[in-house]
Amino acid sequence: RKEVEQDPGPFNVPEGATVAFNCTYSNSASQSFFWYRQDCRKEPKLLMSVYSSGNEDGRFTAQLNRASQYISLLIRDSKLSDSATYLCVVNGGAGSYQLTFGKGTKLSVIP
Amino acid sequence: GAGVSQSPSNKVTEKGKDVELRCDPISGHTALYWYRQRLGQGLEFLIYFQGNSAPDKSGLPSDRFSAERTGESVSTLTIQRTQQEDSAVYLCASSDRTDTRFFGPGTRLTVL
Repeated sequence: RKEVEQDPGPFNVPEGATVAFNCTYSNSASQSFFWYRQDCRKEPKLLMSVYSSGNEDGRFTAQLNRASQYISLLIRDSKLSDSATYLCVVNGGAGSYQLTFGKGTKLSVIP
Repeated sequence: GAGVSQSPSNKVTEKGKDVELRCDPISGHTALYWYRQRLGQGLEFLIYFQGNSAPDKSGLPSDRFSAERTGESVSTLTIQRTQQEDSAVYLCASSDRTDTRFFGPGTRLTVL
């Protein structure tokens, strides 16, 4: 099983649609979870952290299910500017400096 | 404030040549990381520097790869006798916490 697994997509959705990305991770000791966004030919940038209770930032909602070792990202009311690759990122355990990056899910929002 | 900077932004070299990539971290960030991202692939950890501690070199793919860091500032990644499979984007990141990464724009290396 890969350490961090994501559906590569691409997800092609119309503007205004709601889209959800899923991610599974294999390291049960992982304590910190993140979603990064990577635009084409650019560096990854932190989108949001993922907390156990779930958290929301505007149109973006992240959820964590520790029992299933599963993370999700929901984007509501998609904008053209949301087109990017979304990377699921998981740390190596309490106090670990290692982050494992998934290969990402590509999203294209279509006019 | 200034982010992480990397140079060169693009490098084309011939197989067998040595290349040196440079990273300037965010001022005050004690941790510095190098990653490799091949086309269509995820980020692959290469090496980690933390202050004056011995670096974690566990991700370096071969002895052709080496990296140095001067104190808590500039880092250089050197690839000797480049091979075509070394073609990738090399990303540097710095942080002041173990679970954050601020990435530079990367160096796109093409080995002909």
